[in-house]
Amino acid sequence: DTAVSQTPKYLVTQMGNDKSIKCEQNLGHDTMYWYKQDSKKFLKIMFSYNNKELIINETVPNRFSPKSPDKAHLNLHINSLELGDSAVYFCASSQGARGSYEQYFGPGTRLTVT
Amino acid sequence: QQQVKQSPQSLIVQKGGISIINCAYENTAFDYFPWYQQFPGKGPALLIAIRPDVSEKKEGRFTISFNKSAKQFSLHIMDSQPGDSATYFCAAGPLSYGNKLVFGAGTILRVKS
Repeated sequence: DTAVSQTPKYLVTQMGNDKSIKCEQNLGHDTMYWYKQDSKKFLKIMFSYNNKELIINETVPNRFSPKSPDKAHLNLHINSLELGDSAVYFCASSQGARGSYEQYFGPGTRLTVT
Repeated sequence: QQQVKQSPQSLIVQKGGISIINCAYENTAFDYFPWYQQFPGKGPALLIAIRPDVSEKKEGRFTISFNKSAKQFSLHIMDSQPGDSATYFCAAGPLSYGNKLVFGAGTILRVKS
């Protein structure tokens, strides 16, 4: 019954590597998001997709590339990882323009770059 | 204009007491104000949300008070319980395509039994 799921939960990797985080929602929502929560717990939106179309793209290094193969999935690929990328990444979804704007968050992926 | 300022950073309340967390926003285009609760190791969970056409919304022990002219809103937790100990985030954004939320910095609440 998981509404928004993410894999992996933990990711430890070295600087310079490329990694991906996957997100899936089974709520039938049209809009999905990626957020970054830093070590001080500050939450900031990175990207938003509506029906596979990118609609929000915050000031994020272009090493980060989101991809939405369908409206239930939103993946985040990160190239050339840096120490500063260490954070918890949350995926979220909402119905979007069709109705409720309530955003439901996944459990997070803790990325540690060494 | 995109900031949401949240206070206090941390709060200790006795069991049964009232916890109050305040937020202020700047952007007058914001018209959706949710509160999220986050436990350690978990994702934020939507607690309660308000739109500016009402000044107060109550759900169980949780109440949002909203002051549009002052651009402030607050969360009141009545009869606070140890299980309420968590980090609380306010957020604000426009009810529009994309619904880009701006989050406050969070308040760590500890309810002492």
